[in-house]
Amino acid sequence: DADVTQTPRNRITKTGKRIMLECSQTKGHDRMYWYRQDPGLGLRLIYYSFDVKDINKGEISDGYSVSRQAQAKFSLSLESAIPNQTALYFCATSDTLAGKNTGELFFGEGSRLTVL
Amino acid sequence: AQKVTQAQTEISVVEKEDVTLDCVYETRDTTYYLFWYKQPPSGELVFLIRRNSFDEQNEISGRYSWNFQKSTSSFNFTITASQVVDSAVYFCALSVGANSKLTFGKGITLSVRP
Repeated sequence: DADVTQTPRNRITKTGKRIMLECSQTKGHDRMYWYRQDPGLGLRLIYYSFDVKDINKGEISDGYSVSRQAQAKFSLSLESAIPNQTALYFCATSDTLAGKNTGELFFGEGSRLTVL
Repeated sequence: AQKVTQAQTEISVVEKEDVTLDCVYETRDTTYYLFWYKQPPSGELVFLIRRNSFDEQNEISGRYSWNFQKSTSSFNFTITASQVVDSAVYFCALSVGANSKLTFGKGITLSVRP
């Protein structure tokens, strides 16, 4: 089983619908992230969380919100989806608990979202 | 602010050719980490290597090698004797200091033809 699990893996929805992408991890890492990938643009950071009580905006947070329900869970919501939010979304974790802050990210398998 | 530039967008080679993927980074911090990730057609992101700013030794892992040069702020990746399975998008990334947010380049699409 994957250490970082994203659900759903694929989702097609319509403009204006609310969508939630969920991420759970079994790695015991404190930090979690949501990235968005668009062709030719690389990965861009949407939101990140350094622990359960900490939420931070990334470079492209408009139109998104997140919730860190527990150390192991970090969900991304699109309150009213629009077509330009069609993308591949990645959840990731990193570990600083043992002084191992190297920045290395451990990624989920991605969630492909299509907004019609 | 930090930045990663992957000037090459697409590279196509014939199997068994050597290929170098370029990565140039910008940061004012003296402590940072550089990464390469591979994204095969299946879509997952595969970690390839991490290098810290205090270690300029080049590294070789099988057919893969990395050349880190602080003087030119570059961290280039060479695949020797490329294979069709090397076809993927390759991302270079940078994290700075205690801030573990990765800044990614836009990626290089490598196609290896049989």
